[in-house]
Amino acid sequence: AQSVTQLGSHVSVSEGALVLLRCNYSSSVPPYLFWYVQYPNQGLQLLLKYTSAATLVKGINGFEAEFKKSETSFHLTKPSAHMSDAAEYFCAVRLTGGFKTIFGAGTRLFVKA
Amino acid sequence: EPEVTQTPSHQVTQMGQEVILRCVPISNHLYFYWYRQILGQKVEFLVSFYNNEISEKSEIFDDQFSVERPDGSNFTLKIRSTKLEDSAMYFCASTRDLSGANVLTFGAGSRLTVL
Repeated sequence: AQSVTQLGSHVSVSEGALVLLRCNYSSSVPPYLFWYVQYPNQGLQLLLKYTSAATLVKGINGFEAEFKKSETSFHLTKPSAHMSDAAEYFCAVRLTGGFKTIFGAGTRLFVKA
Repeated sequence: EPEVTQTPSHQVTQMGQEVILRCVPISNHLYFYWYRQILGQKVEFLVSFYNNEISEKSEIFDDQFSVERPDGSNFTLKIRSTKLEDSAMYFCASTRDLSGANVLTFGAGSRLTVL
């Protein structure tokens, strides 16, 4: 069965600093991988997805993630944090052809002025 | 841009009461889902629905829960006899197919508070 582990329930960075949110997955076959963002009192919005094409995936709002099969990782990065990036970020995995998407526990990003 | 709409946005109910949460998925989507997020916790899969039947469900989705697509547009989640621990945000989602090109589109959620 597939699973997702997000390291760090809370990450705090200064405005302008690098953002790194970690995600490791467990899957018997190469899965689809996703990052979603959730702003307060809102639903989940897709940031980016990996679907076995390019291993470096670019998403919205300047975020990108790199799929590393050898490390079973899909870490999310952004070179320079902005105050508006403060939100909860969820890594998710779905097996190819599978019905359900499994979410990690989430990482809350705080951005300090 | 097409979106998934959910009603109500917030419902308060007494323990033991029945609750129906409603969702209107994107019109050309074929796969429908309910997820739950207890305050401050992870987003949990409840159930997936395709071709008018449940395709997969989690351990959370016990006999107290049911889903239905009563017409061509609505997709509902019913909780027969609510418990305090059912208090959560419930998200509906849909996708056109299961290919990598298509991802879940989520509604804004329905917050259920059980007193």
